[in-house]
Amino acid sequence: AQKVTQAQTEISVVEKEDVTLDCVYETRDTTYYLFWYKQPPSGELVFLIRRNSFDEQNEISGRYSWNFQKSTSSFNFTITASQVVDSAVYFCAHGSGNTGKLIFGQGTTLQVKP
Amino acid sequence: KAGVTQTPRYLIKTRGQQVTLSCSPISGHRSVSWYQQTPGQGLQFLFEYFSETQRNKGNFPGRFSGRQFSNSRSEMNVSTLELGDSALYLCASSLDGGRDQPQHFGDGTRLSIL
Repeated sequence: AQKVTQAQTEISVVEKEDVTLDCVYETRDTTYYLFWYKQPPSGELVFLIRRNSFDEQNEISGRYSWNFQKSTSSFNFTITASQVVDSAVYFCAHGSGNTGKLIFGQGTTLQVKP
Repeated sequence: KAGVTQTPRYLIKTRGQQVTLSCSPISGHRSVSWYQQTPGQGLQFLFEYFSETQRNKGNFPGRFSGRQFSNSRSEMNVSTLELGDSALYLCASSLDGGRDQPQHFGDGTRLSIL
């Protein structure tokens, strides 16, 4: 069965620091997709990025970057020069099977202090 | 383009009652999934509907049920409410529920059981 682990429960940084959120997954699927979502205090889950299992090219988008490594089953997320507005709960998720079922990690609460 | 709309935003019920939550997906999206979010269990998949058919179901008791209408709108019903059903219920939609597709989430319905 699929499983997603986010070992960091809470992270607190000061504004402008870089921060990396860790995600480790377990899967038996040969083809799969991984996602990162952000949940601000309002509650809505906001999609950030998708990565498929056969594309290990890392990606940078503005202050966000993602590091996907199949060899270690990790899909880590880095925020460069963090800002207070980045404060939220971040979830890593695995796309399972052929339906819209997502397996989520427990989430990492990021607090960015001014 | 309107996002996923969930109603109501807040709901207070007592034990033993039943409740119906509503979700309108993004226009053109035919897959609707429901998730329960609690502090203890995190985000857990309830079920997914596609073309008015339940295509996948999570590990929840039969008190949790749902349906989807021909316009892709979905409802979720919980009968004989228990204190442990207090949670944020999130609805998500995607084009056809493929595992490669990002799920787009609504703001959720926060259900409190007294």
